[in-house]
Amino acid sequence: EDQVTQSPEALRLQEGESSSLNCSYTVSGLRGLFWYRQDPGKGPEFLFTLYSAGEEKEKERLKATLTKKESFLHITAPKPEDSATYLCAVQDIAYSGAGSYQLTFGKGTKLSVIP
Amino acid sequence: EPEVTQTPSHQVTQMGQEVILRCVPISNHLYFYWYRQILGQKVEFLVSFYNNEISEKSEIFDDQFSVERPDGSNFTLKIRSTKLEDSAMYFCASSEGGDYGYTFGSGTRLTVV
Repeated sequence: EDQVTQSPEALRLQEGESSSLNCSYTVSGLRGLFWYRQDPGKGPEFLFTLYSAGEEKEKERLKATLTKKESFLHITAPKPEDSATYLCAVQDIAYSGAGSYQLTFGKGTKLSVIP
Repeated sequence: EPEVTQTPSHQVTQMGQEVILRCVPISNHLYFYWYRQILGQKVEFLVSFYNNEISEKSEIFDDQFSVERPDGSNFTLKIRSTKLEDSAMYFCASSEGGDYGYTFGSGTRLTVV
């Protein structure tokens, strides 16, 4: 069974204070690892997909990296508008293709950035 | 920017009643999904739909659940006889294919009383 564990559960940062969120995963075969942002009462908003160890992707103040066991979401000089819950999800090769690319999500890290 | 639209945003129903949750996916997308999120818990996969049929479903998606794409634009999730434990946020999502991140709708909050 696929497992995704995110840490910490919650993180409070001062504006400008950089940090990293962790996502560790267990899958039979990784097809892709996804990062999403979720605001309260809203659906997840797609940020990145990573496919292989060593891959990195960046978007504004966010950078996602991937190893064979975990992924990190680095937040550089965060602003209050970065406050949200960040979700990590994996696509397992075993469940991919033939019309389905289902995701297994972690519980998320709730990030609060204080002005 | 194209978006996935879900209606209603909030539905309250009595236990044992049937509910239909509606979604309009992005027009050129080929894969459609329903996920749910019980308050304080993970987003969980329910079902995927491709080429006008269910392609995968989870253990949660039992005989009480069904999906339809009745007219080529709408995508619906029906719960035949709701239970208290069906109370959750239900998200519809669509994608062009597996190599693309899904686009999620804003969700329908279902409350069963």
